[in-house]
Amino acid sequence: AQKITQTQPGMFVQEKEAVTLDCTYDTSDQSYGLFWYKQPSSGEMIFLIYQGSYDEQNATEGRYSLNFQKARKSANLVISASQLGDSAMYFCAMREGAGNQFYFGTGTSLTVIP
Amino acid sequence: SAVISQKPSRDICQRGTSLTIQCQVDSQVTMMFWYRQQPGQSLTLIATANQGSEATYESGFVIDKFPISRPNLTFSTLTVSNMSPEDSSIYLCSVEDGGYREGDTEAFFGQGTRLTVV
Repeated sequence: AQKITQTQPGMFVQEKEAVTLDCTYDTSDQSYGLFWYKQPSSGEMIFLIYQGSYDEQNATEGRYSLNFQKARKSANLVISASQLGDSAMYFCAMREGAGNQFYFGTGTSLTVIP
Repeated sequence: SAVISQKPSRDICQRGTSLTIQCQVDSQVTMMFWYRQQPGQSLTLIATANQGSEATYESGFVIDKFPISRPNLTFSTLTVSNMSPEDSSIYLCSVEDGGYREGDTEAFFGQGTRLTVV
């Protein structure tokens, strides 16, 4: 089974609007971390936000927030006030507590329309 | 947070040749990771580079094709050997840093090496 599932291959959003990128995960571990990364066309991977499995509050980092629903095993990324520079691939990832490997989803390509 | 310098940033290589990618970290880290990202795909872990021991390879990746060196705690190389067009990918070096509890670490990535084999 896939550890990380991103069901939206491509998304479009109007500039200044908010957008939600979906991510569901699969693990039997009680301790794990969930991450979102941005990959612009240049290829680098940029860390955006982190949510620990024991965190009771949703993580926020500037315009990024993570909608963490533990019972549903979802960790959706919300980008508020979209900017043209937000156009990129976005990857959801998970690290299980006992391991060192990061599992990545297949990514969502976000295009911000002026 | 760790700062990673990876080079080259891109290269175009002839099939049958080899390319060595370098990864330098600005702090000492126990493990370094090498990922491959094929066009339009997600990241796939190739191997974990441990200082002082052989790298640990994931299923589908072998040392003869992707030899790895880890001479110290801040540096690693990945070689893509006997290249074919199927090896055209982005190769990314990564380290983990931070965290005061298990799972609370972040993966930092180098800028990536965009390899095209012709």
